[in-house]
Amino acid sequence: EVQLAESGGGLVQPGGSLRLSCVASGFTFSNYWMHWVRQAPGKGLVWVSRINNDESTITYADSVKGRFTISRDNAKNTLYLQMNSLRAEDTAMYYCARSKVVGATMFDYWGQGTLVTVSS
Amino acid sequence: DIQMTQSPSTLAASVGDRVTITCRASQSINSYLAWYQQKPGKAPKLLIYTASSLETGVPSRFSGSGSGTEFTLTISSLQPDDFATYFCQQYDSYSTFGQGTKVEIK
Repeated sequence: EVQLAESGGGLVQPGGSLRLSCVASGFTFSNYWMHWVRQAPGKGLVWVSRINNDESTITYADSVKGRFTISRDNAKNTLYLQMNSLRAEDTAMYYCARSKVVGATMFDYWGQGTLVTVSS
Repeated sequence: DIQMTQSPSTLAASVGDRVTITCRASQSINSYLAWYQQKPGKAPKLLIYTASSLETGVPSRFSGSGSGTEFTLTISSLQPDDFATYFCQQYDSYSTFGQGTKVEIK
């Protein structure tokens, strides 16, 4: 059974940093592109970032470019999102998600999410 | 950036109703359109991809159609488990989601 489990969320002050993790199981992690998607409370879904199998292709939404860094450790079946210079508008549930098709930003499995709250 | 506009924002329906949700793209996205269902406190679930392909395990009462800039999600006979929020997503150019359609009990 495919499972994605995020962790690392919490309350952080504006300007602070957090590192999110997503542990994958039930599939060959190294074969799949992975993504982060966020959802502010009561709002819609926003794609944040993507990374391919070997980290040679990485893309960010304009809203996080220069502040967030996506990475992965295929030996540990883990996806990461390093978030720096956090702002109030980064407050959201953060989901990791798996690409259904290589290179496509469309997701067949999602984690349960980890909540990030940016507030003083 | 490609904008996605869903309508309606909210829809009240009864069990057994036929329900249609529309999604319009600001430019052609070919057939790179997906539909997701989300229930409160849960992650989204993929229903339809490539505009009309049914994801494995999704009931056949869900169907999708369209190409270019206009797409629809149809639930042929609404079931109690279908009351949820539905999002469309374009993946022709990175990804953009619609604002969502909440299907409520009438």
